[in-house]
Amino acid sequence: QKEVEQNSGPLSVPEGAIASLNCTYSDRGSQSFFWYRQYSGKSPELIMFIYSNGDKEDGRFTAQLNKASQYVSLLIRDSQPSDSATYLCAVKATGNQFYFGTGTSLTVIP
Amino acid sequence: DGGITQSPKYLFRKEGQNVTLSCEQNLNHDAMYWYRQDPGQGLRLIYYSQIVNDFQKGDIAEGYSVSREKKESFPLTVTSAQKNPTAFYLCASSKDGAQETQYFGPGTRLLVL
Repeated sequence: QKEVEQNSGPLSVPEGAIASLNCTYSDRGSQSFFWYRQYSGKSPELIMFIYSNGDKEDGRFTAQLNKASQYVSLLIRDSQPSDSATYLCAVKATGNQFYFGTGTSLTVIP
Repeated sequence: DGGITQSPKYLFRKEGQNVTLSCEQNLNHDAMYWYRQDPGQGLRLIYYSQIVNDFQKGDIAEGYSVSREKKESFPLTVTSAQKNPTAFYLCASSKDGAQETQYFGPGTRLLVL
C-alpha cells in the first residue's frame, strides 16, 4: 500500500507569516510530487510540482523535496487570507497512478 | 477553451437507482481518473483508465462501473450496489508520463433522497 501522510491540522497563521505544510510518502519509487489547493466545495487546483531534490520557487510558494527522507514540503510566504484552504499533497508512482494525502487545513488570520 | 467538464453539478439518487456521472476532457489526455471525496477526507481512487477501452479498479471500485469508449469521455455509473454513495465525485485527467500533472474537473455532488 503506497501511503502519503499529511498533518491534518488545522494550521493557523497570522497574515503575512510563513505557512509550512509537510508531507511524507512511503514509496521510494515515487517520481513526481504535487501540491494542490482545495477551497471548500471546490475541486483541487494545482499550485506546485517538483521532481528533483531541493527547492523550487514560484512567487510566494516554495516546494521542497528530499527523496532520501521521503519528505516534501510547501512553504507559503507572506500568507494572505485568500490562502485559507485545504492543501493536498500528491505523489505519482510508476504507472500513472496518483496517491493523495488527506490534506492540511490552513487558516490565515487577518 | 481547454479543460475538463463534469455534469451534473448536483445529482440526487433514489433508493435502488443507478445514476451516471459525466466527465469529458478536450485536453487530449491519455489517462482519466475518478475519485470520491467524503467530508474532511482525502481523495480515494475509484477507477482509472490509461487508454481507450481499458480501465483498472482503484481502491474503492465496488458498487461503481465505468466505460472508456472515447479518449475524451470517461463516465462513471453509481449502481444500486453502492450503499453509501453520498459524496463529492471528482474526475481528473493527465498525459502519459512520469512528470505529467493531473488536472481536475469541477466535481459532481451526489446526494441520496
